[in-house]
Amino acid sequence: SAVISQKPSRDICQRGTSLTIQCQVDSQVTMMFWYRQQPGQSLTLIATANQGSEATYESGFVIDKFPISRPNLTFSTLTVSNMSPEDSSIYLCSVEVLAGSGNGYTFGSGTRLTVV
Amino acid sequence: GENVEQHPSTLSVQEGDSAVIKCTYSDSASNYFPWYKQELGKRPQLIIDIRSNVGEKKDQRIAVTLNKTAKHFSLHITETQPEDSAVYFCAASGGSYIPTFGRGTSLIVHP
Repeated sequence: SAVISQKPSRDICQRGTSLTIQCQVDSQVTMMFWYRQQPGQSLTLIATANQGSEATYESGFVIDKFPISRPNLTFSTLTVSNMSPEDSSIYLCSVEVLAGSGNGYTFGSGTRLTVV
Repeated sequence: GENVEQHPSTLSVQEGDSAVIKCTYSDSASNYFPWYKQELGKRPQLIIDIRSNVGEKKDQRIAVTLNKTAKHFSLHITETQPEDSAVYFCAASGGSYIPTFGRGTSLIVHP
């Protein structure tokens, strides 16, 4: 099954700055997903990233705030732009356990972001 | 879109007891129902899943049941152990395979 390397694992950032989170997968996957998980809360989908096309954003999330790159089938980045304390959260990327199988998803280890 | 409701939000049991977590979904087109376990500070991990053409699936102490007519599915953990303590998330997805997650259940198993 797919293995994801996500970095950084954590960061403390000043408000107004941006942070780029990277996810590298050990196999080619069509779709990569970016989630936000606030403390004690569920997983909220930010966007779906497909290689070669614009990311699809969920309601409440916009490209200017969370630009996503997907340059190839094994890599994606999520940038949290112009950060405010409300952006403090855990950000996770996710891919299918077995590409194209519809057999569940595996997650990166997460990036714990604190904005001060 | 899909809406997944999960209950209870917190479940406290004694070691050796059974635990049941229930979820309902709204979209009758959903056909895949995974369950995830998230230990404190760690990533969610897939523990069991079920498809709409199956009513029940078991894996050792864990089982999942699905009632398509009522649009609900449940996770059953028997002979609970302290290491079962975690947050459990149910999810539902349809043709797009993009899951909608429930709010999570914090399971506490007391030794």
